[in-house]
Amino acid sequence: GQQLNQSPQSMFIQEGEDVSMNCTSSSIFNTWLWYKQDPGEGPVLLIALYKAGELTSNGRLTAQFGITRKDSFLNISASIPSDVGIYFCAGAGGTSYGKLTFGQGTILTVHP
Amino acid sequence: ETGVTQTPRHLVMGMTNKKSLKCEQHLGHNAMYWYKQSAKKPLELMFVYNFKEQTENNSVPSRFSPECPNSSHLFLHLHTLQPEDSALYLCASSQGGGEADTQYFGPGTRLTVL
Repeated sequence: GQQLNQSPQSMFIQEGEDVSMNCTSSSIFNTWLWYKQDPGEGPVLLIALYKAGELTSNGRLTAQFGITRKDSFLNISASIPSDVGIYFCAGAGGTSYGKLTFGQGTILTVHP
Repeated sequence: ETGVTQTPRHLVMGMTNKKSLKCEQHLGHNAMYWYKQSAKKPLELMFVYNFKEQTENNSVPSRFSPECPNSSHLFLHLHTLQPEDSALYLCASSQGGGEADTQYFGPGTRLTVL
């Protein structure tokens, strides 16, 4: 089945630094989603991308839908301690009709 | 965010117990989902309902029984579970009927099977 390769698996950064993470796939998706999950909570949608090449921002977060439709990245600028959590990418559409395929997650730790 | 709610948030049960998890969405969506999230594993899709009809059962053991009485409510009935079923169970909803719907998640139920 489809798989998403998300990297890095974990990041340890200082407050104020910028963060970048990405997901790649062996097959195409029609939608890319980025979620953040805090411990013991459900994933919260951060950004949704619906068009190849699309670049979307949500505050300090910026995400792009790769033009090949097989990849996406998420950038966080000027990180703050509350950015700590697990970030998941998810792809939908293409050959996974009606279902999401999730990346393995990136664990982000921000040191004050 | 109260778009998707789940109760209870925490549940401890014995292997012989019968319990149910409840999910309710207030977003006017038509599709609902159950996921299992175990430690150090990707999210696993369990069941999908579109317009109250089950459209996906991802080879889930019969000790998990879903019920979707209407588009706003989803239940997961549990009986004779195993310790390896301990996990975070997440409910999600989406507009439904689309190829690439955006899914919105509830806070989850942390289940521990003794």
